Amino acid sequence: DIQMTQSPSSLSASVGDRITITCRASQGVKNDFGWYQQKPGKAPKRLIYIASSLESGVPSRFSGSGSGTEFTLTISSLQPEDFATYYCLQHNGYPYTFGQGTKLEIK
Amino acid sequence: EVQLVESGGGLVQPGGSLRLSCVVSGFTFSDHYMDWVRQAPGKGLEWVGRIRNKANSYTTEYAASVKGRFTISRDDSKNSLYLQMNSLKTEDTAVYYCSRAITLFGILTPMDVWGQGTTVTVSS
Repeated sequence: DIQMTQSPSSLSASVGDRITITCRASQGVKNDFGWYQQKPGKAPKRLIYIASSLESGVPSRFSGSGSGTEFTLTISSLQPEDFATYYCLQHNGYPYTFGQGTKLEIK
Repeated sequence: EVQLVESGGGLVQPGGSLRLSCVVSGFTFSDHYMDWVRQAPGKGLEWVGRIRNKANSYTTEYAASVKGRFTISRDDSKNSLYLQMNSLKTEDTAVYYCSRAITLFGILTPMDVWGQGTTVTVSS
């Protein structure tokens, strides 16, 4: 199985901050990769697909980069509604695997 | 509007069975691969399995943790996806989500839209 190691597991930041979350794959996954945001009690929402493509309707302050084994999600200027848990996902091989999540909290 | 609505969750004893349903609307269900994903209380996301479309013979894939116990099926005439869960264990307790896969820029991408989830509790 491909292991996805996401860091940090938690992050405290302020409105307006720029933050980066990283995900590393245990083997190359090409661009078969996405980022998801989940708020408490809600279903996850896809933000980024094919590593760097922004889902329709997602604000441009979100961006994704990377390929192969290392990927990043950047939020350029945090807004109050961005405080949530973020997950990465690889879909290059079965079983599909998620990172363990990054909980983004307000400082 | 694209919608996925799960149902069928509930409380079941260890060793028991349960069948989850996911009814979709707003898109051509028969064209799409579909996935089930679950989330145990306070934990992260876990992919459960996938079913392909008719053009790909409705073939399936499963996570090792559920293989041989869970079966994914679909009825394209009813715009419905199913997850038959047998021999349930306490560790199967989770919110179960159905989701759609979609091809974008020639690449099949999973989980672009999700249902609201249905809760399964396995306990005696």
